[in-house]
Amino acid sequence: AQSVSQHNHHVILSEAASLELGCNYSYGGTVNLFWYVQYPGQHLQLLLKYFSGDPLVKGIKGFEAEFIKSKFSFNLRKPSVQWSDTAEYFCAVNAGNAGNMLTFGGGTRLMVKP
Amino acid sequence: DTGVSQDPRHKITKRGQNVTFRCDPISEHNRLYWYRQTLGQGPEFLTYFQNEAQLEKSRLLSDRFSAERPKGSFSTLEIQRTEQGDSAMYLCASTDLGELFFGEGSRLTVL
Repeated sequence: AQSVSQHNHHVILSEAASLELGCNYSYGGTVNLFWYVQYPGQHLQLLLKYFSGDPLVKGIKGFEAEFIKSKFSFNLRKPSVQWSDTAEYFCAVNAGNAGNMLTFGGGTRLMVKP
Repeated sequence: DTGVSQDPRHKITKRGQNVTFRCDPISEHNRLYWYRQTLGQGPEFLTYFQNEAQLEKSRLLSDRFSAERPKGSFSTLEIQRTEQGDSAMYLCASTDLGELFFGEGSRLTVL
């Protein structure tokens, strides 16, 4: 069975700082990879996704993620965070034949100080 | 709003009571998913439907849980004889292919 690990549970940054959130998964086959964001009081929203092709994926709001197959990783990055990026971030994996079922990591709560 | 809608948004119940949640997916989406999220954790898969067929159920879905999608449109999730451990946010999501679109969830508190 697939699993997803997010190593940072809580991250506190000042505005303009750079962000990198770690995500590692365990599954040996073809995977689709996602980052979702949950702003306070709102539903989960897709930030970006990787299915195939260029392993550097750009998403909304200046976020990007890099798929490194050899490391089973899909880390999320943003060069300069804003206060409005305060939210909880979830990495998720879908094994290629799992009927779109997503397995989520435990989430990283990001607080950006103004 | 043409997103995924869930009802009720909040439910407080006493232990042992039954509760039912409803999910209305995005209309053209044929796949519908139920997830559960507890505080400080990521969403955990419960079950999913393709049209009216329930294709997969997690081991988390005990005998007290039942889900239906009778006409391949809306879905219901019923929890019988609720326990305090059932307190969580129950999330519904739908898709046609690829990205899951989530609703805002139904928060259950079992006293």
